[in-house]
Parts: sequence; structure tokens; C-alpha cells
Amino acid sequence: EPEVTQTPSHQVTQMGQEVILRCVPISNHLYFYWYRQILGQKVEFLVSFYNNEISEKSEIFDDQFSVERPDGSNFTLKIRSTKLEDSAMYFCASSVAGGTGELFFGEGSRLTVL
Amino acid sequence: SQELEQSPQSLIVQEGKNLTINCTSSKTLYGLYWYKQKYGEGLIFLMMLQKGGEEKSHEKITAKLDEKKQQSSLHITASQPSHAGIYLCGAESMNRDDKIIFGKGTRLHILP
Repeated sequence: EPEVTQTPSHQVTQMGQEVILRCVPISNHLYFYWYRQILGQKVEFLVSFYNNEISEKSEIFDDQFSVERPDGSNFTLKIRSTKLEDSAMYFCASSVAGGTGELFFGEGSRLTVL
Repeated sequence: SQELEQSPQSLIVQEGKNLTINCTSSKTLYGLYWYKQKYGEGLIFLMMLQKGGEEKSHEKITAKLDEKKQQSSLHITASQPSHAGIYLCGAESMNRDDKIIFGKGTRLHILP
């Protein structure tokens, strides 16, 4: 069964360092998302991406964050200069039809900022 | 912005018992989603409800949507250890703004 895959599963980084989280969405999906979940808190929407551009972003997704689809398969989230409060589980998701369809989530990438 | 309130926050149930989890939206619901998250893992889609009064079932899990009350309930019949996890309701608003927002989740523990 097709699935969304994320790498790395866990990354530890020093505050101020750049981090890139990678995702391979399901191949025929057109809409891509990043969510994050701080430990013990709810799953929060960061950004949605369609047709090679951001379709919506939340207040959390400030200038320190960026997304890219560098090729036909990968979808990346970059945090330019990490802060302690960026420590969280980051989930990538994809869907066939944005807004109304089932989101397929990856297993998540746990980011720990020291 | 739309908020989803889930109740209870946590639930401990004896194996074999029935249980219900509720989700209430602060705004009109366009689509309501139920997901399950195992601790430290990704979200697994359970079902989606779109029409008022709609009811869907998957194995021993049934979800209903009360559009007028902006509420949904998830009912598990004869709970099993495999049902343990965090149940999240998610919603897209009438704005159709291309995202799903989630409630804080209900942690379900099943006692053998």
C-alpha cells in the first residue's frame, strides 16, 4: 500500500542551525502539507502546497520556514535557524484532492533543538 | 479561527466496554474527519463525514455528524486493546481554505 515516507525519523540539532526535513508523498497526490506537534500538544497546521507554490500557511510558518519540491518526488521543510521552541514532531501529509479529501500522513520526523 | 473541542481529554475503559468521544466545532462544519494516532506515530485516517446526519462505520467504530450542533461523536463498541491511542477530530471550514485543523485529541486507554 502506498505511503508517505519521512526522513530523518529523529534529528538532534544545535540552536541556530539549519534543518531540512524530507518527505516523499504518495506518487499520484497533488497536495502536500506540513504539520507539527509539540510534545503533549495538538497537531498544528503549518503549510499547504499545491502546483509548486504555497496555497496556505499558518502564523507559525514565519520567515524561518520554507518548503520546496525540488524534484518530482520530494517535498522538504527547511528551518533556517532553529530555536528551542521548534522542537516537535513534524508530520508530512499528502492528498489527491486538497481540502476535501483524506490526508495521508507520514510517521513523522522528531526534531530536538538543544 | 475555527476551534475544535474534544471531550473527554482522556478515557480509561475496560476491554469489552463501549465508549463515546465527542468533538464540537466553534464554527460551521463543512467536513469532519476522525483520525487515530498511536503514541509517537503518524495519524491514521478513520473516516470522513460531510453531510448533516451522516453516520459511517468502520469495523467497531461508528461516527456521526450533527451539522446543526456543529458536533460529531465517535463510538466504539466492545473496545479492544487495539483501539488504544489518541483520537483526533479534524475539520475544514466553510471557507474551504485548503487545510484541516485538529482538536487536541482524546487519549484512550483500554484495560485488559
